[in-house]
Amino acid sequence: DAKTTQPNSMESNEEEPVHLPCNHSTISGTDYIHWYRQLPSQGPEYVIHGLTSNVNNRMASLAIAEDRKSSTLILHRATLRDAAVYYCILSYLNQAGTALIFGKGTTLSVSS
Amino acid sequence: KAGVTQTPRYLIKTRGQQVTLSCSPISGHRSVSWYQQTPGQGLQFLFEYFSETQRNKGNFPGRFSGRQFSNSRSEMNVSTLELGDSALYLCASRKTHYNEQFFGPGTRLTVL
Repeated sequence: DAKTTQPNSMESNEEEPVHLPCNHSTISGTDYIHWYRQLPSQGPEYVIHGLTSNVNNRMASLAIAEDRKSSTLILHRATLRDAAVYYCILSYLNQAGTALIFGKGTTLSVSS
Repeated sequence: KAGVTQTPRYLIKTRGQQVTLSCSPISGHRSVSWYQQTPGQGLQFLFEYFSETQRNKGNFPGRFSGRQFSNSRSEMNVSTLELGDSALYLCASRKTHYNEQFFGPGTRLTVL
C-alpha cells in the first residue's frame, strides 16, 4: 500500500494560515488523497479529499502537486479549535471500494 | 441527524475474557468500519462491513471478528483478550464504500 510521510508536529499562531505538508511519492493513479483530523478525546473528523485538482471547502483547501507526489492542507486562518492531529491518507481502490490506511499524522499546536 | 454512536464508552476486562463492542451508524449509511487506536501503533484498520458482508480486512489475528446486521448496526468481538488489546476502538460509517467516513467517539477498552 502507498504510504504517506508527514512531519510529527507543527506550531502556528491564531489567525495565521497553516500549511500542513504530506509526501506520498509512491501514490498510484487511482489513489485519492484524504485528510482527516482528530481533536483531543474525539474520533477522527473528515476534512477534505482530492484526486488531481486543488480542492476547497468550508474547512480547508487541498493543494496537490502536479506529479501528485505531495500535497498540502491549508487552513486559511488557524483558530485554537484547529489544534489536533492531522492525518494525510491515501485511499486505495479495490473491488470492495476504498479503504483508509492512517499514518502517524502531524500534531498541530495553535497559540493565541 | 444523529452521529455514529458506540457502546459502551468505557470497558474494563481481564486477560482471557472476551468482549463485544457495538456501533450504530448514521441513518442511511450502509458501510461500517472498525479501527484500533493505540499510542504506539496509531490508528489501524480492522475491517469494514457493507450490507452485512465483510469487504475489507486489516492485518489482525482471528481473535478479532465482527458482523453487521440488516439495519447496518455492527458489532465487534475480541476473544481471549490480551493486555495489548487495550486501546480505543473506533467505528466509522459512510453511505457507500466510496464516501468519506464519519467516526464515532470510540470505546475505551482496558485489559487488566
